[in-house]
Amino acid sequence: QVHLQESGPGLVKPSQTLSLTCIVSGGSVSSDTNYWSWIRQHPGKGLEWIGQINHRGITIYNPSLKSRLNLSVDKSKNRLSLSLTSVTAADTAVYYCAGADILMGTNFSFDYWGQGTRVTVSS
Amino acid sequence: QSVLTQPPSVSAAPGQKVTISCSGNTSNIGNNYVSWYQQVPGAAPKLLIYDNYKRPSKIPDRFSGSKSGTSATLGITGLQSADEAHYYCGTWDSSLIAALFGGGTKLTVL
Repeated sequence: QVHLQESGPGLVKPSQTLSLTCIVSGGSVSSDTNYWSWIRQHPGKGLEWIGQINHRGITIYNPSLKSRLNLSVDKSKNRLSLSLTSVTAADTAVYYCAGADILMGTNFSFDYWGQGTRVTVSS
Repeated sequence: QSVLTQPPSVSAAPGQKVTISCSGNTSNIGNNYVSWYQQVPGAAPKLLIYDNYKRPSKIPDRFSGSKSGTSATLGITGLQSADEAHYYCGTWDSSLIAALFGGGTKLTVL
């Protein structure tokens, strides 16, 4: 069973860069059947897809975040990373990493979810 | 406002059946697979349905999915108090070049 664990700073100042990591266990970021996404949920709101990366490092970003976003994969540490620059209060949310197994669905049906990490943008 | 439209809330009594709709267009639901997720308060979402109607092995057959044209539907039979949660539909949008989620539907088991 694939387990995802996000971690991050909790509190980020406006205009700074948000950096999050997601440790993958029970599976491999190098798998060619898994696609890894980041998804966020603003307080009391619905889900927003942030972007996706695969084992080759090929990315698809949400157009609304593309100019500020960078996703990466570290095969040596079996982990995923998110970097979001120039954050504002609108980036306050719970951030999830999620995995899709294309042996069971498409690369946008998310089989595995981390527990989420809460990020607050405030001075 | 979400591109995928879901009713904000639905309710039904224990043991009854409920359906949750998800309406989109030809760029998303009309030409892509739909997934459904359950999110109980304080927890991460959980995949219930993928590829419009398929269930992961651990999901009971009380949960079902269907799609017709540019709309999809999640059905839940034999409602239990544990089913109280928010439910989200999701799919890919070929025009926006982004994955989308519906705004979510809160299910209340009366």
